[in-house]
Amino acid sequence: GAVVSQHPSWVICKSGTSVKIECRSLDFQATTMFWYRQFPKQSLMLMATSNEGSKATYEQGVEKDKFLINHASLTLSTLTVTSAHPEDSSFYICSARARAGNQPQHFGDGTRLSIL
Amino acid sequence: KNEVEQSPQNLTAQEGEFITINCSYSVGISALHWLQQHPGGGIVSLFMLSSGKKKHGRLIATINIQEKHSSLHITASHPRDSAVYICAVRSTVSWGKLQFGAGTQVVVTP
Repeated sequence: GAVVSQHPSWVICKSGTSVKIECRSLDFQATTMFWYRQFPKQSLMLMATSNEGSKATYEQGVEKDKFLINHASLTLSTLTVTSAHPEDSSFYICSARARAGNQPQHFGDGTRLSIL
Repeated sequence: KNEVEQSPQNLTAQEGEFITINCSYSVGISALHWLQQHPGGGIVSLFMLSSGKKKHGRLIATINIQEKHSSLHITASHPRDSAVYICAVRSTVSWGKLQFGAGTQVVVTP
């Protein structure tokens, strides 16, 4: 069964709305969570890496004020797309990894965001 | 140039056929993942390898660290195996981030 739960799976909203996406690790403590964006027919693009209790590290070109990431607990990280516009429409996927050693990275089912 | 190269890009097989997907990488790695992405978008981690070979059901993954090469094999393929298969490496210099191959679209016909 799924070890990373992502919610919601689909969002359609008006331009200017802020959208929050949740990512939960279900049976392990995720000290590190990753947020990816994926355009059709393309590979995953890392947006940011967050470690529990500290600020997220954003990849070059990703606006931190646009994509707010909170990783307040070992089982929950959230991505908020603030004042979303049509160009923010995309597929967003979270991933989580436990603390110790060379642990596997588990992925959520993704959130399809459509901004009208 | 992508540091993770996958081949083929697309693959069509008839049900029951043996399928092989290849992945070559040019960086030092601590681990290599094989991921499966279904049309709905969700990603399943099939294997994480740092050496040797792993088997799970009809899937087999191998890695040769010296040659910087990994393969994913699907035995007795089935239409439900139709998906995009992605090779991803955790390099030793990228702070634990994964670097992804472009993916291989697999279609298995009945």
